[in-house]
Amino acid sequence: DQQVKQNSPSLSVQEGRISILNCDYTNSMFDYFLWYKKYPAEGPTFLISISSIKDKNEDGRFTVFLNKSAKHLSLHIVPSQPGDSAVYFCAASAQIRETSGSRLTFGEGTQLTVNP
Amino acid sequence: NAGVTQTPKFQVLKTGQSMTLQCAQDMNHEYMSWYRQDPGMGLRLIHYSVGAGITDQGEVPNGYNVSRSTTEDFPLRLLSAAPSQTSVYFCASSEMGQGYEQYFGPGTRLTVT
Repeated sequence: DQQVKQNSPSLSVQEGRISILNCDYTNSMFDYFLWYKKYPAEGPTFLISISSIKDKNEDGRFTVFLNKSAKHLSLHIVPSQPGDSAVYFCAASAQIRETSGSRLTFGEGTQLTVNP
Repeated sequence: NAGVTQTPKFQVLKTGQSMTLQCAQDMNHEYMSWYRQDPGMGLRLIHYSVGAGITDQGEVPNGYNVSRSTTEDFPLRLLSAAPSQTSVYFCASSEMGQGYEQYFGPGTRLTVT
């Protein structure tokens, strides 16, 4: 039962254009969402997050949108740069009890390629 | 600042062998976890710990044991390796609770033949 799904295994965009990565979830208890970025042969690194009390969070070129009714979130990268080429993972957590908020459920990942 | 360290980087095992993947963090984080990454399946949680002496199972715990005797260390043990455990393993740590970034180690690539 995949509770967090990233339906696009790969995405290719031109440098300077917008990249939009999508993520869907099924567990209505999820109330905090994160995006991680992963380069080959390295561990994932945190990119941006959003709480369920918000519908948008922006950090420089990166913006995450949350649509709770559709159980959908997306990551927008504008403008895209070749250095953004990486695998992007969507993750979610549910603060059911004091210790559960740290536990993350990840999607399958989307390989983003930004072409010069 | 070392962050999260993992050893070894690469390991090849024969079916039935045992080994321990080491993970250490120097950020005094209470929460630590182990994930495996397989193609098309993302990162799946194996075991996690919310503090020294406290561990719990994640999504895919079978075939793996963990212990947490200190805040810093969280080793993952494979008691009898199987080819299905061929994967890349990541250790992560964070402060307890929602909203805190999880820091990942560089990973261990394990092949079981």
